[in-house]
Amino acid sequence: AQSVSQHNHHVILSEAASLELGCNYSYGGTVNLFWYVQYPGQHLQLLLKYFSGDPLVKGIKGFEAEFIKSKFSFNLRKPSVQWSDTAEYFCAVSSNNAGNMLTFGGGTRLMVKP
Amino acid sequence: DVKVTQSSRYLVKRTGEKVFLECVQDMDHENMFWYRQDPGLGLRLIYFSYDVKMKEKGDIPEGYSVSREKKERFSLILESASTNQTSMYLCASDAWATEAFFGQGTRLTVV
Repeated sequence: AQSVSQHNHHVILSEAASLELGCNYSYGGTVNLFWYVQYPGQHLQLLLKYFSGDPLVKGIKGFEAEFIKSKFSFNLRKPSVQWSDTAEYFCAVSSNNAGNMLTFGGGTRLMVKP
Repeated sequence: DVKVTQSSRYLVKRTGEKVFLECVQDMDHENMFWYRQDPGLGLRLIYFSYDVKMKEKGDIPEGYSVSREKKERFSLILESASTNQTSMYLCASDAWATEAFFGQGTRLTVV
């Protein structure tokens, strides 16, 4: 079955530390890749997306992600986190091989200590 | 500016009741989704619709059904609510190669 895996369920960092959250998927075909963020008590928001072109995509708030097709990965990075980045982060994938079904990973809860 | 609207923010229902969750989008998107969000489990797809009257089961369809009679509206139905269906339910819509837009969520409690 097609799936999206996020390797870290909980991450705790100090401010100014670098962040990398892993995401792997098992789809074939053409994929669209997303990272969403959910701040405490708020709705899901799009951080960044990849459809085609440059595999290194930049999103809002200093986040970026790199699509590595050979590794079926789309890891999220930020060079220096802030306390306000405390949130839950979700990787999501849709594929034309899966009928455009949008599937989410299990989420990574990030806590940034001030 | 509202794009995806869910009919209720909070619902409390009794075990065995039939429950309807409604979702409407105004972006003319082909695809609509129902997810449930539970702590530690992320967003799990219940059902997906890619066109009017078309539906696909997601990862956890048991105990749920859906209806899509019009392009803009996608309903989730709990035929006989049970306590293990207490959860946050999220509706979303998208088109191919666009981001998904989410409703504000419905927090359902089954007592």
